[in-house]
Amino acid sequence: DAGVIQSPRHEVTEMGQEVTLRCKPISGHDYLFWYRQTMMRGLELLIYFNNNVPIDDSGMPEDRFSAKMPNASFSTLKIQPSEPRDSAVYFCASSPPGHGNTIYFGEGSWLTVV
Amino acid sequence: ILNVEQSPQSLHVQEGDSTNFTCSFPSSNFYALHWYRWETAKSPEALFVMTLNGDEKKKGRISATLNTKEGYSYLYIKGSQPEDSATYLCAFKGGGADGLTFGKGTHLIIQP
Repeated sequence: DAGVIQSPRHEVTEMGQEVTLRCKPISGHDYLFWYRQTMMRGLELLIYFNNNVPIDDSGMPEDRFSAKMPNASFSTLKIQPSEPRDSAVYFCASSPPGHGNTIYFGEGSWLTVV
Repeated sequence: ILNVEQSPQSLHVQEGDSTNFTCSFPSSNFYALHWYRWETAKSPEALFVMTLNGDEKKKGRISATLNTKEGYSYLYIKGSQPEDSATYLCAFKGGGADGLTFGKGTHLIIQP
C-alpha cells in the first residue's frame, strides 16, 4: 500500500526564493497534517486539514508560510520568501476518520535555505 | 501551549541490556498518548496508541505503560538490539484536539 508521499525529498534553495512542498495523503484519510522538525523545537504542528478544510493554522510561523489542500489527494506547503531559519525537515502526515487514530507520516522534505 | 516532555534526551545502552524512558504530559483533558519510533532518514512509525489509565501495550520486546492521573508514560525495551537504535517520540492528544503535540524524543543508541 502506498503511504504518504512527499516531494521533493531534498531541496536546497537560496534565501528569498519560493519553496513549494507537496504531499499526497493515504487514500481514504480525511485528516492531513503538516509538521516541521528542527533540533531546537522538535516536531511542531504547523497546520492541519479535515476534509480539505484548514482547521487550525496557529502553528504556522508567519505570513511567509501558506498551505492549501485543493482536493482530498493533494496538499502544498509554500514558503515565500524563504529564509535560512526555515531550514528543517517538513513532514506531511495523514490519519483516517475518527478521533485519536494513529497518524501516518511521509518520509519528509529536507529543506536547506542558504 | 501543551507541555510534553521526554527524558532522557539521549541514551546509550549496551546490546542485550534492557532500558526504559519517560514521557510526561498534561494530566487534564487527556484523550490519547501515542508512541512513535523514528529512524534517521525514514518517517516516524507508530508503535502504540494508549487511551486508558493503566493501559499496558506490548509489541515484541517493546512495551509501554500509561498513567493519565499523574501524566506519564514509560516505554520499555527488553534485551536491546542494534536495530532498536532510533529516536522514540511520544505525542499527546487532548480532548477536542485533532492534532498531536509531540515531545522532542529520546535518542536511543544501542552499542554492540
